[in-house]
This record gives sequence, structure tokens and C-alpha cells, in this order.
Amino acid sequence: GENVEQHPSTLSVQEGDSAVIKCTYSDSASNYFPWYKQELGKRPQLIIDIRSNVGEKKDQRIAVTLNKTAKHFSLHITETQPEDSAVYFCAAPGSSSASKIIFGSGTRLSIRP
Amino acid sequence: DTAVSQTPKYLVTQMGNDKSIKCEQNLGHDTMYWYKQDSKKFLKIMFSYNNKELIINETVPNRFSPKSPDKAHLNLHINSLELGDSAVYFCASSLGGTSGGETQYFGPGTRLLVL
Repeated sequence: GENVEQHPSTLSVQEGDSAVIKCTYSDSASNYFPWYKQELGKRPQLIIDIRSNVGEKKDQRIAVTLNKTAKHFSLHITETQPEDSAVYFCAAPGSSSASKIIFGSGTRLSIRP
Repeated sequence: DTAVSQTPKYLVTQMGNDKSIKCEQNLGHDTMYWYKQDSKKFLKIMFSYNNKELIINETVPNRFSPKSPDKAHLNLHINSLELGDSAVYFCASSLGGTSGGETQYFGPGTRLLVL
């Protein structure tokens, strides 16, 4: 079946510390794993994605790691800043359609000054 | 210049009314989507069209009817609105390839409140 689980649902970290959000997926054929950031009152926007042929991808302070064997992937944010406060969603393809992606339930990240 | 736009931004209406939300994208994408985001922030896909053809139709009450007059537009009509329809509705678009794994570009959202 199609399922993406995301943890934790809320996360509070001190400014400058790192934050890690984890997701698991059920369809072993999944090959694309995006992460979206949604600021308060705004639209979700892609911040980073990874395909199944690599294990890690980094873009400045954010990185995503993928473990295909265990079927989980994680978002890592280092040196967190106040503007990192938002809801983060992981996603994975739905098995029923190439165009469909299933979103995780979201993680509300708060950065404490 | 906005890539994916929606109108209206806010919609407050009474139970039982019929309303429409419009979406347009100027990215040249072939695939468009409607998502519902409830108060707990869950993002759930409702419909998807590829080049005016319905390709995804999730378990959504048939009071919701999407219409795609051309590949740049995807509208959502809702009949007999209920309290539980209150949510933020996001339109999105993507290139529309068959291999999957495409970035989805979201509109600003329409905040629907049913009284």
C-alpha cells in the first residue's frame, strides 16, 4: 500500500543546533523523495530532493540521506536559524500513478532564539 | 509574474452553497493537482489532470467536481458545501513526465470557511 510516516510531529531546537526529521515509506519501488517547506500561511515549496540512485545529497545547510534497504530517509538541517521555523513535509511516489506523491504528516519545526 | 495562481484567496460561505475555485499555471506544465490541507496540516491529494485528462481521482465526495478546460487551467467546483469542507485548498502543477519524481509547484492556496 501507499504510506509515508513522518516523525516527529513537532520539534523545537536552539538556534545554531541541528534538526533531524525522519520518514519511512512502504513501497520498495519508490525512487524519488522530495522535502517541502511550508512557512506559516504560505504554500509548500520544494527545498531538496533525492533519487534512489544516491544515498545522500547536500545543499548548503540542508542535507537528505536515504536508506533504501530500511526504506527510510531523513532531512538534516545544520546551524539552524529563525527562518528555518516552518512545517516540513517529506513525500514519496504513490504506487498507483507516476504523477502521484504521498505526503508525510508534517513536522512543525520551531527555532528557539 | 506568478507561476501558479488561484482565485479566490479567501472564501467564506454558508453551508449548502455551491462555490468554485480557479487555478491557472503559466509554467507550460502538463499535469495539475488539487490538494486539501486540513487544520492539522495534512496535505491530501484529491485530483490530478494530465493534459486535460483525469488521471488521479482519490476518494473524494462526488460533491467535488474538477474541470480542466485546457492544460493551463484546473478548476474545482464544490456543491452543497458542508462544515467539514473548511480547509485550505492548494492547486499544484508539475511537468507531467511518465517516470515520476517531479517537483510540484503549489499555488498560494484558497482558504475556505463554511459557516
